[in-house]
Amino acid sequence: GESVGLHLPTLSVQEGDNSIINCAYSNSASDYFIWYKQESGKGPQFIIDIRSNMDKRQGKRVTVLLNKTVKHLSLQIAATQPGDSAVYFCAENTGANSKLTFGKGITLSVRP
Amino acid sequence: GAGVSQSPSNKVTEKGKDVELRCDPISGHTALYWYRQSLGQGLEFLIYFQGNSAPDKSGLPSDRFSAERTGGSVSTLTIQRTQQEDSAVYLCASRKTSGGSYEQYFGPGTRLTVT
Repeated sequence: GESVGLHLPTLSVQEGDNSIINCAYSNSASDYFIWYKQESGKGPQFIIDIRSNMDKRQGKRVTVLLNKTVKHLSLQIAATQPGDSAVYFCAENTGANSKLTFGKGITLSVRP
Repeated sequence: GAGVSQSPSNKVTEKGKDVELRCDPISGHTALYWYRQSLGQGLEFLIYFQGNSAPDKSGLPSDRFSAERTGGSVSTLTIQRTQQEDSAVYLCASRKTSGGSYEQYFGPGTRLTVT
């Protein structure tokens, strides 16, 4: 069936470096994508979203890139900080009841 | 303002017992979702409520699972005759359906442990 997946289960980066978290999706009908951050013991928190009619969207220290040709989504975090350590999930919306289909998540670990 | 709240935060129950998990969505959010998150896994959709429409129950794993949403606000997820495989974090999310945003706001979750 259709699925959203992440390429790597864990990512370790040096504090101050840029982080790139990748996500592949397979449903070409998906019209909206979102990144969530989940810290230990907490619910997922919104980071940034992007609609399918866009290629790039920037927030504060974060950028989401969407490549519809290869069905690829990425989250870039500039100047990674220890507080960025968490599990990151990408999710897609296909329009049916606005249900989000989540990937399994990738753990970002920031080394001091 | 207040976010999504869930109670209890932790629940330990014996196999075979029934449990009820509660979700208080953000005021004014008409859409409400329940998800299940097993250890080290992503979020598994369970059920969706939208206003007065019939809920989308397509994600409920068995007939032991049910949910209600009273008065378009508070929701209760009930698991009957709990099994060990029901152990997980149960997350609730709400969404404001006006304005065209798909962003869901999540509560902190209820960690359910079935012994």
